[in-house]
Amino acid sequence: DIQMTQSPSSLSASVGDRVTITCRASQGISSYLAWYQQKPGKVPKLLIHVASTLQSGVPSRFSGSGSGTDFTLTISSLQPEDVATYYCQKYNTAPFTFGPGTKVDIQ
Amino acid sequence: EVHLLESGGGLVQPGGSLRLSCAASGFTFSNYAMSWVRQAPGKGLEWVSGISGSGSTTYYADSVKGRFTISRDNSKNTVFLQMNSLTVADTAVYYCAKTYNDYVFDYWGQGTLVTVSS
Repeated sequence: DIQMTQSPSSLSASVGDRVTITCRASQGISSYLAWYQQKPGKVPKLLIHVASTLQSGVPSRFSGSGSGTDFTLTISSLQPEDVATYYCQKYNTAPFTFGPGTKVDIQ
Repeated sequence: EVHLLESGGGLVQPGGSLRLSCAASGFTFSNYAMSWVRQAPGKGLEWVSGISGSGSTTYYADSVKGRFTISRDNSKNTVFLQMNSLTVADTAVYYCAKTYNDYVFDYWGQGTLVTVSS
């Protein structure tokens, strides 16, 4: 099965900073990559699918890129409400594995 | 408005069984695949199982294959997860999730807690 990794596992940044999270698949998955945000105590929320397509209603400061095995989620200007854990997920074939998550805090 | 409501969680002894249900509303249920995703306390998300809109195709994570069975009743807009031979490692909040496109999940229920303990 394809394994998903994320780096870093956690980060702390200041409001207004540009934040980049990396997701790597152990084999190529084309663009079948989604990103989710889970705020503390809340249900996961879909941010991006097809690696770079922003889900309706998601702020434009979020963006995604990549294809094949290497993907990134970028927050162009970190806001206090972005404190959350971010997960990537592959969905080309089953199993539809999630990455281990990246916890984002405000400094 | 899409709404997913899970039920059936609780405390069960190792080796026991539980059946989770997820009642859906606000969309044409039979048109969408559905999945179960779980989250152990303090841990990340783990995809567990998925089922096509017709119910003809099912998928399982290796960790639950042979023990869990996913099914759906499109006449009742409900998806189920039958969980047998439960172990402590199955302790988690179980989320029901609706697919948006392929197995991307655009709506999630609030989750139901399954605790496996003696």
